[in-house]
Amino acid sequence: EAQVTQNPRYLITVTGKKLTVTCSQNMNHEYMSWYRQDPGLGLRQIYYSMNVEVTDKGDVPEGYKVSRKEKRNFPLILESPSPNQTSLYFCASSLDSGDVQETQYFGPGTRLLVL
Amino acid sequence: AQKVTQAQTEISVVEKEDVTLDCVYETRDTTYYLFWYKQPPSGELVFLIRRNSFDEQNEISGRYSWNFQKSTSSFNFTITASQVVDSAVYFCALRFMNTGFQKLVFGTGTRLLVSP
Repeated sequence: EAQVTQNPRYLITVTGKKLTVTCSQNMNHEYMSWYRQDPGLGLRQIYYSMNVEVTDKGDVPEGYKVSRKEKRNFPLILESPSPNQTSLYFCASSLDSGDVQETQYFGPGTRLLVL
Repeated sequence: AQKVTQAQTEISVVEKEDVTLDCVYETRDTTYYLFWYKQPPSGELVFLIRRNSFDEQNEISGRYSWNFQKSTSSFNFTITASQVVDSAVYFCALRFMNTGFQKLVFGTGTRLLVSP
């Protein structure tokens, strides 16, 4: 089954404790992206990757890191989480980075609470 | 600026009422795509429709219909005879090309509450 998976789905952590949210897709997609969703703000892009070893900042990258060592995986790293990073996070992928018609497929979301 | 505005924060209707969710977009591009996603209470994002900038035909899918008007930069979504299961947050999104790659920008969402 074609899908985007994220783990964990729910995470409670404390300020400053490094964490990683994994994202994996099985569709051989070039493009992957991370979004955060906050009430009243919709979804905002954190980072994206156009292919292996090619990543760039989105609209709200502060406090996050990513890597793309393999095509299927795109982990989101919070080196020192803070309470303002409490949010719902979505990973997404699409086949072609350069094709505007491509639909993005979203993972199930990760709810993060930073105390 | 490339932007999507969903002015309706929350809409409440009674089952069987028709409801329209508004979406207004801004873009300088001539080629772009518009999307609607549904987010039910369980939290996942469900893709509903994609429409390209060259196709202004309205689309109907069961109780759902979409009205795309380039003249007013709007892509409105109507649910006919609403049902409780339609209760969700609905997002409109704009896909455009940004320095050689595709970018997706979301509106802030409209929460639809359908009561029995």
